[in-house]
Amino acid sequence: ETGVTQTPRHLVMGMTNKKSLKCEQHLGHNAMYWYKQSAKKPLELMFVYSLEERVENNSVPSRFSPECPNSSHLFLHLHTLQPEDSALYLCASSQGPRGQPSMNTEAFFGQGTRLTVV
Amino acid sequence: GENVEQHPSTLSVQEGDSAVIKCTYSDSASNYFPWYKQELGKRPQLIIDIRSNVGEKKDQRIAVTLNKTAKHFSLHITETQPEDSAVYFCAANEGESRSRLPGHNTDKLIFGTGTRLQVFP
Repeated sequence: ETGVTQTPRHLVMGMTNKKSLKCEQHLGHNAMYWYKQSAKKPLELMFVYSLEERVENNSVPSRFSPECPNSSHLFLHLHTLQPEDSALYLCASSQGPRGQPSMNTEAFFGQGTRLTVV
Repeated sequence: GENVEQHPSTLSVQEGDSAVIKCTYSDSASNYFPWYKQELGKRPQLIIDIRSNVGEKKDQRIAVTLNKTAKHFSLHITETQPEDSAVYFCAANEGESRSRLPGHNTDKLIFGTGTRLQVFP
């Protein structure tokens, strides 16, 4: 295990549902990320949290709402999703050199949540 | 912003042969280039990375080369084995920090589209 745990592993939800994805890292890292992986596109960065502050938001629709209550936990709240949002959602964490958050070091990924929107 | 292109999208080789995957990037300020391997149903995992102050790095059967002038980098796998079968992603960081917060150098990693490598026994 790499120390990054995601739950649930699989999720099927209707377009009117509200659900949340959870990510937990036990590596003591100071930056956490949400990625979307679909058949058509490479790993797409959605959100970056650095020291619990959101520092990147890649024009993600508002139906995706991240939350980082502390440096070990990251959530992705989902509501009124569309079928095209079906994908594998990966969480990752990293620790930059000299204690600075950075992606210029190894990013450890969770196993992902396979989301299907029906 | 950074744009990373990766080729080929699929690659089939015979066990024991070599495999080469190539990536190009657009941001001349990029200085970190990792490669990730994702086996079927599993998470991406870092297998090797290179920084812009070196031209080549090797780890057993895996090597990565970087040509900063041409803005391309390649992954070389020698003596391939069936367990090398996976999807490989290259990535490059955006050269300038776009963080809103002072002191937070969270450079983004931009990934290539992936290469599905199949090694036949």
